[in-house]
Amino acid sequence: GENVEQHPSTLSVQEGDSAVIKCTYSDSASNYFPWYKQELGKRPQLIIDIRSNVGEKKDQRIAVTLNKTAKHFSLHITETQPEDSAVYFCAAENTGNQFYFGTGTSLTVIP
Amino acid sequence: NAGVTQTPKFQVLKTGQSMTLQCAQDMNHEYMSWYRQDPGMGLRLIHYSVGAGITDQGEVPNGYNVSRSTTEDFPLRLLSAAPSQTSVYFCASRLAGGPHNEQFFGPGTRLTVL
Repeated sequence: GENVEQHPSTLSVQEGDSAVIKCTYSDSASNYFPWYKQELGKRPQLIIDIRSNVGEKKDQRIAVTLNKTAKHFSLHITETQPEDSAVYFCAAENTGNQFYFGTGTSLTVIP
Repeated sequence: NAGVTQTPKFQVLKTGQSMTLQCAQDMNHEYMSWYRQDPGMGLRLIHYSVGAGITDQGEVPNGYNVSRSTTEDFPLRLLSAAPSQTSVYFCASRLAGGPHNEQFFGPGTRLTVL
């Protein structure tokens, strides 16, 4: 099956700085890679996603990059704000429509 | 439009008890899934369904049963609860029309097994 690894597990940045979270996956046939934000006690919510035929996607301060050859994808948050503090999860969907999640990154933005 | 709903929000069981976690969606989504979330382990797929009458096992299916008699409902049954099943359980749903449609999560059920 698929194996998704996520780093770092914790990340602290100053407000206004950028944050980068990286994930790798093992199944080269995986073809969809969403990122979720989860605030304490809440459900995961999709913030951005990328498909395997695209190398980069951007939505305002959030961007995701995908390197299919190296089997890794990254989340980039620019101009971080305190409300960006949360746990972020990457995921990979395989051809069987099953999602495999990374173990999460706890992001703290220091005002 | 309530989205994905789950009941109960919290539950405490004793070892060996059985119970059913309820999940419902009103978005006419074909795909529904159950995940468990444990500290430091992300979300892991328990069971999933691609439509009424069809279910399949995910990554961690042991100790759980599911059925899908309607498009709207996807209950998760714990047959004989064990402390290792203490976790937060999330139900999710999405459309099957495209290859990569957004997955919507329910609010979760926090289960403690003593």
